[in-house]
Amino acid sequence: KAGVTQTPRYLIKTRGQQVTLSCSPISGHRSVSWYQQTPGQGLQFLFEYFSETQRNKGNFPGRFSGRQFSNSRSEMNVSTLELGDSALYLCASSKGTSGRETQYFGPGTRLLVL
Amino acid sequence: QKEVEQDPGPLSVPEGAIVSLNCTYSNSAFQYFMWYRQYSRKGPELLMYTYSSGNKEDGRFTAQVDKSSKYISLFIRDSQPSDSATYLCAMSARNNDMRFGAGTRLTVKP
Repeated sequence: KAGVTQTPRYLIKTRGQQVTLSCSPISGHRSVSWYQQTPGQGLQFLFEYFSETQRNKGNFPGRFSGRQFSNSRSEMNVSTLELGDSALYLCASSKGTSGRETQYFGPGTRLLVL
Repeated sequence: QKEVEQDPGPLSVPEGAIVSLNCTYSNSAFQYFMWYRQYSRKGPELLMYTYSSGNKEDGRFTAQVDKSSKYISLFIRDSQPSDSATYLCAMSARNNDMRFGAGTRLTVKP
């Protein structure tokens, strides 16, 4: 069974630009969650999508947005990039139908903002 | 105060040692507790999953949850160099909104 895949794996952008990251969940998983990981703040929850609807949201500014498609693939967008947005962005998928499933992480997209 | 506290280490032990990793938390609504292992430049990999209080064992790994003390632990027996990684505790009230500890960097020396 294929795992969670994320593209691109590495990305370099400059301040003020926008970026779109993509996540393909494990087949059969309908929930996709996004996390930001930095050395200073650790892993922080961004948002979760289930059946094309945002179900949970963390404490990030509106520059961070996402969406989910009918095939459960998800994209995350960050507009007006800031230096502090440099991080490893991880997505995780789960079946999403109850409160007891575990999440499986992808390898992440490493974003560097210059 | 953070919702989840975890000593970032680093922790260095000799091969074969028993490793104890711990997290404390403040949110009494947490009921799902997980430990993830993350190798350098990789995504976190689920190691242990526990619902509510109690112990769970899987091979060399044992997870313990004490909800009365808001304290969780992961024990690694007969540690191996391949166990060298960052270990993250995670917990949630509902399973899809996890809160993570800072991660403890572990090195097992041959």
